[in-house]
Amino acid sequence: DIQMTQSPSSLSASVGDRVTITCRASQSISDSLNWYQQKPGKAPHLLIYAASNLQSGVPSRFSGSGSGTDFALTISSLQPEDFATYYCQQSYTTLYTFGQGTKLQIK
Amino acid sequence: EVQLLESGGGLVQPGGSLRLSCAASGFSFSNYVMTWVRQAPGKGLEWVSAISGSGGTIYYADSVKGRFTISRDNSKNTLYLQMNSLRDEDTAVYYCARVTSGWYGWLDPWGQGTLVNVSS
Repeated sequence: DIQMTQSPSSLSASVGDRVTITCRASQSISDSLNWYQQKPGKAPHLLIYAASNLQSGVPSRFSGSGSGTDFALTISSLQPEDFATYYCQQSYTTLYTFGQGTKLQIK
Repeated sequence: EVQLLESGGGLVQPGGSLRLSCAASGFSFSNYVMTWVRQAPGKGLEWVSAISGSGGTIYYADSVKGRFTISRDNSKNTLYLQMNSLRDEDTAVYYCARVTSGWYGWLDPWGQGTLVNVSS
């Protein structure tokens, strides 16, 4: 199975900061990497698909990059509603796997 | 509007069984791969199982293989997860999600989740 490793596991930042979360795959997954946001008590929802494509309705301050084994999610200017947990997920194989999550907290 | 609505969760004793349902609306259900993902309390997301649009191709995570069965009824636009031989570690919120763009796409949307609590 493909293992997905996110870093950091948690991150404290302030409104207006630029933050980057990384995700590394245990083998090359081309651009088959998706990012989700989850707020407490809510279901995850899709932010970025196929590594760099912004899902409809998602603010443009979110962006994704990378291919192969190394990927990143960047938030250009943090807003109060962005404090949440973020997960990467590979869809290169049908045994989908998620990263362990990155909790983004207010500093 | 595309919607997924899970039901069937609850409290069950270890070794017991439970069947979850996921009612889909707003899209052509039979054209999509569907999947179950779970989240134990305070933990991350774990993929559980996926099924093709016709129901003819199925995959399971090793942690549930042989105990859980995924199925679908395209005439009722409903996805199921039959869970047998439940263990404490199966306690989680279970989400259903649509896989967009074939097997190798992304999960969107997700249902609101249903809580399964395995406890004596």
